[in-house]
Amino acid sequence: EAGVTQSPTHLIKTRGQQATLRCSPISGHTSVYWYQQALGLGLQFLLWYDEGEERNRGNFPPRFSGRQFPNYSSELNVNALELEDSALYLCASSLQWTYGYTFGSGTRLTVV
Amino acid sequence: KNQVEQSPQSLIILEGKNCTLQCNYTVSPFSNLRWYKQDTGRGPVSLTIMTFSENTKSNGRYTATLDADTKQSSLHITASQLSDSASYICVVNSNDYKLSFGAGTTVTVRA
Repeated sequence: EAGVTQSPTHLIKTRGQQATLRCSPISGHTSVYWYQQALGLGLQFLLWYDEGEERNRGNFPPRFSGRQFPNYSSELNVNALELEDSALYLCASSLQWTYGYTFGSGTRLTVV
Repeated sequence: KNQVEQSPQSLIILEGKNCTLQCNYTVSPFSNLRWYKQDTGRGPVSLTIMTFSENTKSNGRYTATLDADTKQSSLHITASQLSDSASYICVVNSNDYKLSFGAGTTVTVRA
């Protein structure tokens, strides 16, 4: 069974640009979660999507947004990139929100 | 203030030795607690999941304990191996659909 797949693995953008990160959950999982892990910091919750709807979001500005597609894959969009947006962005999926989460390997976003 | 506090922040142990990582939380209401292992640059991998009624759960050389009364959990690594070098993250799930993450403990195992 394929795990959670994230793309791209690495992404380099300049300040002010937009970044789009993609996540494919494990087959059958309907919930997708996005997290930011900045260097030296813990995981910070960004967004939770379930059945195509945004269920919850963390304390991030509106320029962090996303969506979940009918096949349950998801996109995370970051507009007007700032240097401090440089981080590892992790996606996780689960069958239901109370079940175990499986994480992808992440997308390393570097803003220069 | 973070609702999940982990200690120590980092530790170095010799191969073959045991170590214990601590996780204290204030998250309420409590649903479950997970320990994850995260290798550098990779996504976290689940080690154990514990609900309110579970006190101990093992996964190979990893043993997690939970005291829901004192809101404390520990992860014990037995007979450490070089491959155990990683960050170990405590994650508490509450009933309001949010996960609370500890900052992690970085374990370095040396030969």
